[in-house]
Amino acid sequence: AQSVTQLGSHVSVSEGALVLLRCNYSSSVPPYLFWYVQYPNQGLQLLLKYTSAATLVKGINGFEAEFKKSETSFHLTKPSAHMSDAAEYFCAVRRSNYQLIWGAGTKLIIKP
Amino acid sequence: KAGVTQTPRYLIKTRGQQVTLSCSPISGHRSVSWYQQTPGQGLQFLFEYFSETQRNKGNFPGRFSGRQFSNSRSEMNVSTLELGDSALYLCASSLGSLKDEQFFGPGTRLTVL
Repeated sequence: AQSVTQLGSHVSVSEGALVLLRCNYSSSVPPYLFWYVQYPNQGLQLLLKYTSAATLVKGINGFEAEFKKSETSFHLTKPSAHMSDAAEYFCAVRRSNYQLIWGAGTKLIIKP
Repeated sequence: KAGVTQTPRYLIKTRGQQVTLSCSPISGHRSVSWYQQTPGQGLQFLFEYFSETQRNKGNFPGRFSGRQFSNSRSEMNVSTLELGDSALYLCASSLGSLKDEQFFGPGTRLTVL
């Protein structure tokens, strides 16, 4: 069965530092992968998605993710963290039956 | 283009009652998915409807049901409410293919007393 693992329920970085949020998936077929962000008391918003066109995917707000098939990973990065990036981030993989499988989420904390 | 709308935004019910939540997808979207989000369990998939048919179903009891209308609007119903049903219920719509992302509404905050 497909699954998504997000390493670290909480990640803390200083403002201006690199943000790295990890996502590993299990899949027997080329996947469709997504990163979403959720700000407090709001719905989820798409950051970026991988649909096999390019392994390095650029998203909104300066985020990007690299699909690495050999490592079954799709880690999310941002070169310089901003206070407004504080939120919860979710990784998801699409199953062949159309269902999205979600990671448990990672809360990103930005230290001033 | 209008986003996904959910009504009501907040709801307070008592145990044993039933509740109906509504979701209007983005125009042209044929898939609507429902999720329950709680601090303890995270984001849990309830069900997905595509062109009025349930395409996928999560692992929730039969008290949770849904339907989709011909205009793609969807409703979910929870009968015999329990305290543990208190949660943020999120609706998401998409065009419906494997590569299409889901667009989320703001959610309905349900509190069961």
